[in-house]
Amino acid sequence: ETGVTQSPTHLIKTRGQQVTLRCSSQSGHNTVSWYQQALGQGPQFIFQYYREEENGRGNFPPRFSGLQFPNYSSELNVNALELDDSALYLCASSRSGTRVNEQYFGPGTRLTVT
Amino acid sequence: ELKVEQNPLFLSMQEGKNYTIYCNYSTTSDRLYWYRQDPGKSLESLFVLLSNGAVKQEGRLMASLDTKARLSTLHITAAVHDLSATYFCAAYLQGAQKLVFGQGTRLTINP
Repeated sequence: ETGVTQSPTHLIKTRGQQVTLRCSSQSGHNTVSWYQQALGQGPQFIFQYYREEENGRGNFPPRFSGLQFPNYSSELNVNALELDDSALYLCASSRSGTRVNEQYFGPGTRLTVT
Repeated sequence: ELKVEQNPLFLSMQEGKNYTIYCNYSTTSDRLYWYRQDPGKSLESLFVLLSNGAVKQEGRLMASLDTKARLSTLHITAAVHDLSATYFCAAYLQGAQKLVFGQGTRLTINP
């Protein structure tokens, strides 16, 4: 069984630029959620994708957008980067429809905006 | 809006001692999760609690859930240095399809 993978592991961008982060879900999982974790804080929900559509969204502006592909992998896109976007970005995959619906987290992408 | 609060936020303890981390959540949730995070690493799933009175144990860690009190606890028995990490609880908000995390408890276990 293949776990959740994310790429890249680290990224440095300049304010105003755009970035795309990628996530491959665990085998057998059909749902991907994205979280932002600032230093010293708990993860904050950005959005979730199921069947290639956004299935829930947290309090993040529209410049945070995403995609899910037919193989259930996903992208997170952030436009017009701001300094406060510097964080660890985590994706989590799960199997929708199960009682447990446990989310398995990838290793994360650490984004630094200068 | 679902809010999750943990306490304490920082905990320094000696090996061999017992302690409890508390997790309160503000509105009804039918699932409560505990995760461990080592510095610079991702989240490792520890427990999933699905019903009132649920208790799960793995090694020196035991988690419980009281849905009426909206309280979950993570109890550490006879702590060892390897348990040093940040522990997060998260409640699932069904309608919004999201996990809401607490602030985390940074646990340091000293020899």
